[in-house]
Amino acid sequence: AQSVTQLGSHVSVSEGALVLLRCNYSSSVPPYLFWYVQYPNQGLQLLLKYTTGATLVKGINGFEAEFKKSETSFHLTKPSAHMSDAAEYFCAVRSDTGNQFYFGTGTSLTVIP
Amino acid sequence: ETGVTQTPRHLVMGMTNKKSLKCEQHLGHNAMYWYKQSAKKPLELMFVYNFKEQTENNSVPSRFSPECPNSSHLFLHLHTLQPEDSALYLCASSQKGGRNYNEQFFGPGTRLTVL
Repeated sequence: AQSVTQLGSHVSVSEGALVLLRCNYSSSVPPYLFWYVQYPNQGLQLLLKYTTGATLVKGINGFEAEFKKSETSFHLTKPSAHMSDAAEYFCAVRSDTGNQFYFGTGTSLTVIP
Repeated sequence: ETGVTQTPRHLVMGMTNKKSLKCEQHLGHNAMYWYKQSAKKPLELMFVYNFKEQTENNSVPSRFSPECPNSSHLFLHLHTLQPEDSALYLCASSQKGGRNYNEQFFGPGTRLTVL
């Protein structure tokens, strides 16, 4: 069975500071992992995904994530936070059968001017 | 229209009403999904349709009734709902390649309030 744990339901960073959002997964097979962002009153938008190959994945808006099998982690980072990054971020893993996606509870990112 | 669209964006209904949510995807995908998003909870997958056939029903109460007339359209029919059904209902689509599904594309959601 697959599951995702996002550590920290709320994260605050200063503008220009490093953003680190944590995600740990549980999967019995090589996982497909995703990060989504949700702005207020909008649906989820894909930031990046890991399927196979390179473990450092680059996404949109300057975000990247690194798949670490030994740590079962897929943390999301951005070197310098921007005010427009304030949103809810969701980590997700795809099921063994490939027809379901399991989402974490989300992390709300606040960027302080 | 591009991507995944949902109508209405906001809906207020009484417990005895019957209403429907509509979702349309313009991406040529062959799978569509309904999710329920409540505050402080993970997204709850409700239904999955693949090539118009329902493949998943995650123990959703019968007061929610999905309909998928074709690969581009998905409906969620609502009747005799409860106040705890108030939530954001998200539609998503994806492309199934082989036995696996690629990433999902989401609509903006319908904010449902049940009085």
